Amino acid sequence: RKEVEQDPGPFNVPEGATVAFNCTYSNSASQSFFWYRQDCRKEPKLLMSVYSSGNEDGRFTAQLNRASQYISLLIRDSKLSDSATYLCVVNPRGSSASKIIFGSGTRLSIRP
Amino acid sequence: GAVVSQHPSRVICKSGTSVKIECRSLDFQATTMFWYRQFPKQSLMLMATSNEGSKATYEQGVEKDKFLINHASLTLSTLTVTSAHPEDSSFYICSAESEPGGEQYFGPGTRLTVT
Repeated sequence: RKEVEQDPGPFNVPEGATVAFNCTYSNSASQSFFWYRQDCRKEPKLLMSVYSSGNEDGRFTAQLNRASQYISLLIRDSKLSDSATYLCVVNPRGSSASKIIFGSGTRLSIRP
Repeated sequence: GAVVSQHPSRVICKSGTSVKIECRSLDFQATTMFWYRQFPKQSLMLMATSNEGSKATYEQGVEKDKFLINHASLTLSTLTVTSAHPEDSSFYICSAESEPGGEQYFGPGTRLTVT
């Protein structure tokens, strides 16, 4: 089983739709979780950190479910500019050592 | 946010030559930097963890004698691809963390093409 698994997609949704991605992780001791966004041929950029209490930033909401070992990302009122690959990132060793693991990414395409 | 630069952004070299890629944290000190490689339509793969003042830690399957990493200061790490081959052609990205377990700031990447 991979340490971090994501549905590769692609998700093709109309502008204005709500779309959600899940990501599962295998190491129950993982402490830090992030969602990154990567545009084609560019470096990844942090979208948001994921906290146990969940967090929201505008149209984006991230949730963590430790019991089921998954994190989720919800995008509301999607825009054309949201088209990108979304990477789930997990630090499997906690805060003492930083070897983060990237999921393979979920491709999202927003159509007009 | 913190800024990480990478140089060069793009390089084309001939098979058998060596290429050095620099990664700099511009406005913070990074005791740890990471080097990743990404092939087309694939995920980022961690190659090695670079620690200032000590030897890099390489991931399984990554040849340390081929991918030389030097982390000479708290703001600079270099990756040298020695005796490059066409199969080394890839997108190489570095990252630096501002604190252990925290956000990683990525450089813009270096696209290496070996002919």
